[in-house]
Amino acid sequence: QQQVKQSPQSLIVQKGGISIINCAYENTAFDYFPWYQQFPGKGPALLIAIRPDVSEKKEGRFTISFNKSAKQFSLHIMDSQPGDSATYFCAASGTGANNLFFGTGTRLTVIP
Amino acid sequence: GAGVSQSPSNKVTEKGKDVELRCDPISGHTALYWYRQSLGQGLEFLIYFQGNSAPDKSGLPSDRFSAERTGGSVSTLTIQRTQQEDSAVYLCASRLQKNTEAFFGQGTRLTVV
Repeated sequence: QQQVKQSPQSLIVQKGGISIINCAYENTAFDYFPWYQQFPGKGPALLIAIRPDVSEKKEGRFTISFNKSAKQFSLHIMDSQPGDSATYFCAASGTGANNLFFGTGTRLTVIP
Repeated sequence: GAGVSQSPSNKVTEKGKDVELRCDPISGHTALYWYRQSLGQGLEFLIYFQGNSAPDKSGLPSDRFSAERTGGSVSTLTIQRTQQEDSAVYLCASRLQKNTEAFFGQGTRLTVV
């Protein structure tokens, strides 16, 4: 059973464009939603995270939008750059759920 | 150490052999996770340790897989009688407490031939 569903599986965006990755969850006990970025041969690294008391969080070109009622959250990468080409994972956890559940990942390719 | 350390970085083993993968978490981190990542795939949860609590083993794919965490620090993932389908990158992560950043190691690439 996939606790966090992520789409699309792969994404190709032109340099300067907006990359959008979506995730959905069912467990209402989740209250922490991080996004991780993974480059080939490396472990995932935290990119940005949000808690459900806010609907949006922005850090530089990266923004998380959170819709609590729909149990969905998304990552927007503005002005996408070739260096953003990586695999992105959404995740979720909660104080009641000890685990950290990951989506299936999105492979982003930014074309120069 | 400054980060999560995993060893070995690469392991090639013959089918049927046992292997041990090691994870040194960040000092003081109470939570430790093991994940498996097959080529081009997502992160498959294997096992989770939180402090002195009983580990969450719900992700272990078979009884050939086991893990322990000694003294609340170093963890070892053991795969007995390895099969070719066990070939993957095994990632370890640790975090200070629930709902904080999880830090990943570089992973151990296991190849079963």
